[in-house]
Amino acid sequence: NAGVTQTPKFRVLKTGQSMTLLCAQDMNHEYMYWYRQDPGMGLRLIHYSVGEGTTAKGEVPDGYNVSRLKKQNFLLGLESAAPSQTSVYFCASSRGQGTDTQYFGPGTRLTVL
Amino acid sequence: GQQLNQSPQSMFIQEGEDVSMNCTSSSIFNTWLWYKQDPGEGPVLLIALYKAGELTSNGRLTAQFGITRKDSFLNISASIPSDVGIYFCAGQKADSWGKLQFGAGTQVVVTP
Repeated sequence: NAGVTQTPKFRVLKTGQSMTLLCAQDMNHEYMYWYRQDPGMGLRLIHYSVGEGTTAKGEVPDGYNVSRLKKQNFLLGLESAAPSQTSVYFCASSRGQGTDTQYFGPGTRLTVL
Repeated sequence: GQQLNQSPQSMFIQEGEDVSMNCTSSSIFNTWLWYKQDPGEGPVLLIALYKAGELTSNGRLTAQFGITRKDSFLNISASIPSDVGIYFCAGQKADSWGKLQFGAGTQVVVTP
């Protein structure tokens, strides 16, 4: 039982390049989330999903797209990377809504030059 | 934008000392959570609080949900070296299921 895993761990992009971050969970959780973490700002919600085939915007969705084609996977895409998207990205999942515990992955450190 | 004010920003303490940090908001939350993040890892839930006035312990950790529902605090007693890390508060509003708002974190450094 690996919990929540993220691929890749590190990535460096040039401005304008695109990439996809992969999140996978093996806990059969319905809900999945993407956050970004910047120094001095805590975590901010980018997008989330309440189930397979559904996605919704969080607090800071601009410049990102997501897809949840399979229940266990949640993809975060950057179509045209910008330096402002340099951050550490965390994926999380939870069993259901309300106050269910969110389990976090180890993070992906992205640098956009 | 971020609505949770977490303080202090950092703490340097000696092993065996107690640690106290708090989180305040201008908004009312119906759930307060405290997470710890170790270097290179994702946050891990320490304590969850669901009711105003609630006081909950988890080993040497104690957290309280403020009566006004706009604040929460976390205490760590008799700190040990493995308490090093960043502690985050997070709140959830009644009409925003699953959508957590995080504080900026408190960096704790424990010296022997």
